[in-house]
Amino acid sequence: KQEVTQIPAALSVPEGENLVLNCSFTDSAIYNLQWFRQDPGKGLTSLLLIQSSQREQTSGRLNASLDKSSGRSTLYIAASQPGDSATYLCAAQGIMKTSYDKVIFGPGTSLSVIP
Amino acid sequence: GAGVSQSPRYKVAKRGQDVALRCDPISGHVSLFWYQQALGQGPEFLTYFQNEAQLDKSGLPSDRFFAERPEGSVSTLKIQRTQQEDSAVYLCASSLNRAVDNEQFFGPGTRLTVL
Repeated sequence: KQEVTQIPAALSVPEGENLVLNCSFTDSAIYNLQWFRQDPGKGLTSLLLIQSSQREQTSGRLNASLDKSSGRSTLYIAASQPGDSATYLCAAQGIMKTSYDKVIFGPGTSLSVIP
Repeated sequence: GAGVSQSPRYKVAKRGQDVALRCDPISGHVSLFWYQQALGQGPEFLTYFQNEAQLDKSGLPSDRFFAERPEGSVSTLKIQRTQQEDSAVYLCASSLNRAVDNEQFFGPGTRLTVL
């Protein structure tokens, strides 16, 4: 059974710092891994999706990497800004057996960027 | 905008009441997912629809939970005889078609509080 964990649970950094959020998953047989952002009282916004055949994806100041063999993914945020403050969730999707497989979410990392 | 919408945004119910939560997916999206998110946790899968067919309901926590999508568009999650442990945010997501590499778009959620 797939389990997804995230470290740290909470992180507070001064504005401008580069930071790394970690995600681990127990079953390396994943189809893709996705990083989401969740603002208080809001739904989830997809940030980056990495297919199992890919090693990383980049979007602006965000870079996500995937190492299936070790069951890890990292989200790197460069030059953090107060607007980056939110909860970041990673989610692993299992190998497609039919046309879909469940998406399993981690508990999230709550990020605060201090001006 | 043309995103996923959910209603109501907030619902307070007395223990034992029945509630119905609505999800309007993005027009034309084939896949629809329901998730339950407890405070401080990541979303947990409840059920999945492909058009009007409910292909997976393994995440529904009890037979008090029922979901439908009769015309393959709008979906309703119904909870009968609500209990305090049902208090959570209920998220709906849709994706374009059956392919697992399609991004899921999330609604803002319905926050259910059972007194």
